[in-house]
Amino acid sequence: DGGITQSPKYLFRKEGQNVTLSCEQNLNHDAMYWYRQDPGQGLRLIYYSQIVNDFQKGDIAEGYSVSREKKESFPLTVTSAQKNPTAFYLCASSIMRNQPQHFGDGTRLSIL
Amino acid sequence: AQSVTQLDSHVSVSEGTPVLLRCNYSSSYSPSLFWYVQHPNKGLQLLLKYTSAATLVKGINGFEAEFKKSETSFHLTKPSAHMSDAAEYFCVVSGSFRAEYGNKLVFGAGTILRVKS
Repeated sequence: DGGITQSPKYLFRKEGQNVTLSCEQNLNHDAMYWYRQDPGQGLRLIYYSQIVNDFQKGDIAEGYSVSREKKESFPLTVTSAQKNPTAFYLCASSIMRNQPQHFGDGTRLSIL
Repeated sequence: AQSVTQLDSHVSVSEGTPVLLRCNYSSSYSPSLFWYVQHPNKGLQLLLKYTSAATLVKGINGFEAEFKKSETSFHLTKPSAHMSDAAEYFCVVSGSFRAEYGNKLVFGAGTILRVKS
């Protein structure tokens, strides 16, 4: 079955540590996205990528980094510069503009 | 700029009664609008989408929404609530028509639907 796989489901970060969240899709979608979800705030866009080897900052990119070396993979690194990383992170993909995005089941990141 | 306002942060209904989740949007051009549902600790699932075809859009699980341009609304309804409908619902507008921005979505803050037995 086609879909988006995010791993791990739960992740804990120590102070000063970088952590990487994995996102893999087998939908053959060109566009991929990372969102951060906090209670009562909806979803906010961190980064997005429309094609391999290209990505753009979203609304809250500070403290995060991404790469897009393969069409099916779009990992997100939460760096030590992100001072408030505790949140639910969602990865999504879409086939083209104005078409719905498909979402993974998310990774919940917490601080130790 | 595009924006979305979900008028209720929480809605509580009894099982078997109608559901109404309200959404108003702001857009400088003809928008694409979506409703997504999220169950706890899960990703978002598309319920339905409006992309300038019929103004009454039918979705999965008996949900439907009506696009009203004059009222800039896109309310979600269901005739009879089921216990399994309890979840958080997001109204979403496509954020830009410019190709270089991809398919940027603007999310409402969400409405938590509670269904009482």
